[in-house]
Amino acid sequence: DAGVIQSPRHEVTEMGQEVTLRCKPISGHDYLFWYRQTMMRGLELLIYFNNNVPIDDSGMPEDRFSAKMPNASFSTLKIQPSEPRDSAVYFCASSSSPRVGYTFGSGTRLTVV
Amino acid sequence: LAKTTQPISMDSYEGQEVNITCSHNNIATNDYITWYQQFPSQGPRFIIQGYKTKVTNEVASLFIPADRKSSTLSLPRVSLSDTAVYYCLVGDMPNAGKSTFGDGTTLTVKP
Repeated sequence: DAGVIQSPRHEVTEMGQEVTLRCKPISGHDYLFWYRQTMMRGLELLIYFNNNVPIDDSGMPEDRFSAKMPNASFSTLKIQPSEPRDSAVYFCASSSSPRVGYTFGSGTRLTVV
Repeated sequence: LAKTTQPISMDSYEGQEVNITCSHNNIATNDYITWYQQFPSQGPRFIIQGYKTKVTNEVASLFIPADRKSSTLSLPRVSLSDTAVYYCLVGDMPNAGKSTFGDGTTLTVKP
């Protein structure tokens, strides 16, 4: 298995532009998570899905952030418009059951200038 | 919401056993305890998970006392490659939103 695949690995964009981060979870994993990591705030859970349905989006910072999971093998996290304070590493993770640890992707390092 | 407390940093030498303790005084009945390892520029990697007593796998052991208010990750005979940040996570899926990563413990293994 190739693991959780995220793209792009690095993204540099200008303030105000739309950014879309992509994630392919491990096949058969019913749970998908989006995390954000910064030096100041550490790892923060933004949103998670179960069977493609968003369950808890209370960690999404504001309306500029949106996440979708149109099918079991693909999810996107979109920021529109992007701001410099959105600069962070965004991780996607998936899991097969409530009692198993998550598998994280390699992350997308986003820089908004 | 189970808050966790870990030491900010620890130092060790190659070949030693390292024990990292995590406090979680308000752990709930359904909560599990999970430990992750993170290297720079990588996502966290699952190490071990437990509910009570002792759990052991090929890389670590997890000790959980009867009151479950703390847990200890034990790494036997560490090497330089074990230098990383270690996170203790307490929570219960599907309420995963209530599980939070703390600040983690930066372990530095010296030769």
